[in-house]
Amino acid sequence: QLQLQESGPGLVKPSETLSLTCTVSGGSISSTDYYWGWIRQSPGKGPEWIGSFSYSGNTPYNPSLKSRVTISVDTSKNQFSLTLSSMTAADTAVYYCVRQGDFWSGNYPDSWGQGSLVTVSS
Amino acid sequence: DIVMTQSPDSLTVSLGERATINCKSSQSVLHSSDNKNYLAWYQQKPGQPPKLLIYWASTRQSGFPDRFRASGSGTDFTLTITSLQAEDVAVYYCQQYFSSPLTFGGGTRVEIK
Repeated sequence: QLQLQESGPGLVKPSETLSLTCTVSGGSISSTDYYWGWIRQSPGKGPEWIGSFSYSGNTPYNPSLKSRVTISVDTSKNQFSLTLSSMTAADTAVYYCVRQGDFWSGNYPDSWGQGSLVTVSS
Repeated sequence: DIVMTQSPDSLTVSLGERATINCKSSQSVLHSSDNKNYLAWYQQKPGQPPKLLIYWASTRQSGFPDRFRASGSGTDFTLTITSLQAEDVAVYYCQQYFSSPLTFGGGTRVEIK
């Protein structure tokens, strides 16, 4: 059974860079059938898609965050990571890692990690 | 970006009664090449991640009972819980995957009267 688990700091200072890692078990991030991505959810709000990658080489990002976001991959550990720079209070949210299908099979997130709460505060 | 608008923001329904949630997209999410609506619904309970409930606008994910029904096409979609149960208390979100960036609605909170 596929499982995704986020890890990283719960507290980040303003202007600093957030780094989160997602460890995947029960499936391979090297599969070209899927995209692996990040979604965040601020308190009381709907989810916001950050971006994703496919092992086939496609890495779409949300244009609203693109200048600050990098998603990287470590296939040896079956992990992928999110880096978000220049953090502000508006970036305080629960960050989820997810699996998505490719476009034609349905790009909706069908598996989610439990989430990692990140608070931006000095 | 495609904007997803849900209504109402919250809904209070008696046990066994029907709950209806609406979702409207700012542009059509019906793809002409396969005649599919690129729309999903999620259920989120407190302290949990969203859980995929419906995809392709009307296909129910395994594990969810058939009291969850979804319909619609183009820009207007509906999620109906035909007989509300206590375990259905949650926030429900619609989401389009027709174009990037993926976008979600603001959510509808369903509570028991």
